[in-house]
Parts: sequence; structure tokens; C-alpha cells
Amino acid sequence: KNEVEQSPQNLTAQEGEFITINCSYSVGISALHWLQQHPGGGIVSLFMLSSGKKKHGRLIATINIQEKHSSLHITASHPRDSAVYICAVEVNYGGSQGNLIFGKGTKLSVKP
Amino acid sequence: KAGVTQTPRYLIKTRGQQVTLSCSPISGHRSVSWYQQTPGQGLQFLFEYFSETQRNKGNFPGRFSGRQFSNSRSEMNVSTLELGDSALYLCASSLGVVGQPQHFGDGTRLSIL
Repeated sequence: KNEVEQSPQNLTAQEGEFITINCSYSVGISALHWLQQHPGGGIVSLFMLSSGKKKHGRLIATINIQEKHSSLHITASHPRDSAVYICAVEVNYGGSQGNLIFGKGTKLSVKP
Repeated sequence: KAGVTQTPRYLIKTRGQQVTLSCSPISGHRSVSWYQQTPGQGLQFLFEYFSETQRNKGNFPGRFSGRQFSNSRSEMNVSTLELGDSALYLCASSLGVVGQPQHFGDGTRLSIL
């Protein structure tokens, strides 16, 4: 079993729909990251969470540390949101920044 | 502020050769991490350098090595290339302490013939 599980693997939505991507993990973490990867490879960091909820524009990320679960929500989805969304957890090594363990990603396609 | 720069963007090699990839971090960032991305395995952590010292290492064979210079620029070397080393190699820089985000470069796409 992977240490970081994402669902769904693929998601197709109509423009304007509300989207939720889920991430569950099985290890102790110091932080959880949501990343966006467009075709061509470049990765953009969307959120870094250690507790609660963060919002940036139409994107909202939540984390429940007790349940080891995080969700990424996109409100009023747009075709430009089409990308692969990756959940990654950061494992803490004695206070220094640890390495990231990644989920397999969710490929989102938003149709106009 | 300039972002993370990786060179080259694309590289084609043959089996048995070696390759060196370069990563220039954001100014002021002392940590550089390297990742391999393949269709089958997804993103996997290779190693992290902080102030010229390897601080963390993933589960990759010794053919994969790296180093970091005093200006925080980092290089990754892969020797005796295998077909399975074909991948997108990404580096990310950060301040290197817990709670700081990582900033990714656009990657080097390595193809092995």
C-alpha cells in the first residue's frame, strides 16, 4: 500500500462545477503539500498545510491531522484548471526539512 | 526574483553513458532537492542537499549522485545509464527548514536510447 493515496485518479468536469480531490496518508508528517503540474512538466506549489484550512482564490485546501486526510477543492472550475494535481507529504527529520512522499496524482480535465 | 533554473531542458543519451544535470536555486535558498518522475512510479525523492552536505537520501542505487556548491547550485550525476533512467528530473529549492515551501524548476527530460 502506498503511503500517500489520492482519489480519483482521473476527473472530468464541466466548466463551473465544484471539484474535490482527496488525499489520505499513513505516515507521520510535518506538512502536506498540494502541487499542480501542467503538461510540459513544471510544478507549482499551491498550498502547504500543517493544520486547518487555506484558501487562495478559487482553491481551498483542508487537512484533518487526526484522520490523516486532506482535500483540495476548486470552486467554479475553468478549463485553465486542467492539470495534474499532486498531494505530497513532508516527513520530519528532527526539525530539518524532510523529503516529500508523493501521491500518484489526479488528472483533471475541465470541459468548456 | 528569478525562479529555479534547470539545465539542460532536454537530453538524449545512450545506455552506458553518464549525464550531469544542473539546478540553480532561488537566491537565498540553501536547500536543493532532486526528484525523478516516471509514468510508472510517479514522483520519487532522490536526495537533498543543504549547505553543501547531503542531508537526506531516497532509495536509489549508487549510480545516482549529487553535489552542491558554495553558491547553493547543485548538480546531479547518473552514471552507467539504463533505459529505465528515462524520466523527468526535477529539482526544488527552499530555505531548508520545516514549514517552508519548495519551489520547483521546470525539469530536465532525459531520454535513454
